[in-house]
Amino acid sequence: AQSVTQPDIHITVSEGASLELRCNYSYGATPYLFWYVQSPGQGLQLLLKYFSGDTLVQGIKGFEAEFKRSQSSFNLRKPSVHWSDAAEYFCAVGAGSSNTGKLIFGQGTTLQVKP
Amino acid sequence: NAGVTQTPKFQVLKTGQSMTLQCAQDMNHNSMYWYRQDPGMGLRLIYYSASEGTTDKGEVPNGYNVSRLNKREFSLRLESAAPSQTSVYFCASSEYRANVLTFGAGSRLTVL
Repeated sequence: AQSVTQPDIHITVSEGASLELRCNYSYGATPYLFWYVQSPGQGLQLLLKYFSGDTLVQGIKGFEAEFKRSQSSFNLRKPSVHWSDAAEYFCAVGAGSSNTGKLIFGQGTTLQVKP
Repeated sequence: NAGVTQTPKFQVLKTGQSMTLQCAQDMNHNSMYWYRQDPGMGLRLIYYSASEGTTDKGEVPNGYNVSRLNKREFSLRLESAAPSQTSVYFCASSEYRANVLTFGAGSRLTVL
């Protein structure tokens, strides 16, 4: 069965520091992978997606993620965190071959940014 | 630029009461979804509708019913609410069977 694991429930970084949020997935075929961000009281906004091709994908707000098939990972990175990046981040996997929109989400990682 | 609109934003129910969550999208998307979000569990798919006139169960459909009223609207009904249905509910839409979803702002439901 498909699954997504985000090992870190809560992360705190200082403003200006670099960030890496971890995501591991379990899926038999080539996955479609996503990172979404949820600000308090808001819906989810798509940060970036990987479908195929270049394994390093760029997203909005200066985020990037790298797909590593050998490690079943899709970690999210940002070189310099801003206070406005404080939010909850969700990794998700989609059934790529059937392309149904039925996403499996990880548990989420809450990012706190210290001034 | 409304995107996906959900109503109500907040609702408190007593056990056994019924209610309907409404969702409408104005992006001409064919597919629509209902997810629930619980602490430590991420989002889980309740029901989805690949296109107008079709609905299918997701991961956690028990206790819910859905109606795809037309291309724009997809409602979620709780016939007899239970405390286990206390959650934040998100509606989403996408192009036909596509994986890129646009989410609404959520509806917070508390069942006492």
